Amino acid sequence: DAEITQSPRHKITETGRQVTLACHQTWNHNNMFWYRQDLGHGLRLIHYSYGVQDTNKGEVSDGYSVSRSNTEDLPLTLESAASSQTSVYFCASSESGGEETQYFGPGTRLLVL
Amino acid sequence: AQKVTQAQTEISVVEKEDVTLDCVYETRDTTYYLFWYKQPPSGELVFLIRRNSFDEQNEISGRYSWNFQKSTSSFNFTITASQVVDSAVYFCALSEVESNYQLIWGAGTKLIIKP
Repeated sequence: DAEITQSPRHKITETGRQVTLACHQTWNHNNMFWYRQDLGHGLRLIHYSYGVQDTNKGEVSDGYSVSRSNTEDLPLTLESAASSQTSVYFCASSESGGEETQYFGPGTRLLVL
Repeated sequence: AQKVTQAQTEISVVEKEDVTLDCVYETRDTTYYLFWYKQPPSGELVFLIRRNSFDEQNEISGRYSWNFQKSTSSFNFTITASQVVDSAVYFCALSEVESNYQLIWGAGTKLIIKP
């Protein structure tokens, strides 16, 4: 069955370190998204991609980067982790067309000490 | 101003009761899409329904039903004969042209079903 996976599921890191969160989908979806979820803020869009080599900034992109070298993967990199980036991170994908349904991965809990 | 308002922060009912979760949205577009997602205590986000602005028919899926009313800009979600497994946070979201179809999320309603 097609699915979307995230790894690691849990991560503890120290401030200043570079961290990469992986997202892999087997639906062959063109669109992929990264969100963070924090208490009091709901879901906020970090970056998104509408296809290979396409990346766009979302609402809260500072301190994060993504690259899309193939259809299946959209890794999220925290260049220099900060305690404010402690959060739950969700990856999502959807078919082409911004109005299509986004399907979410299981999430990654990141703790930055 | 919030574009998606879920005014009920938390609702608690006893099992088997019916419960309605409210969602009010704001948009100037004539074409837009509305979504409901469920986030159980395990944390994953589960898609429930997608509705476009041209389809005002109510939707029923088992114990779940959705009432879309453009006149009041609402897309409410009702669970009939609630069960403990329905306990979750439920999110309503809007996708519109003006926002480049990015999902605009409500704050969520935490639903607690007591046995």
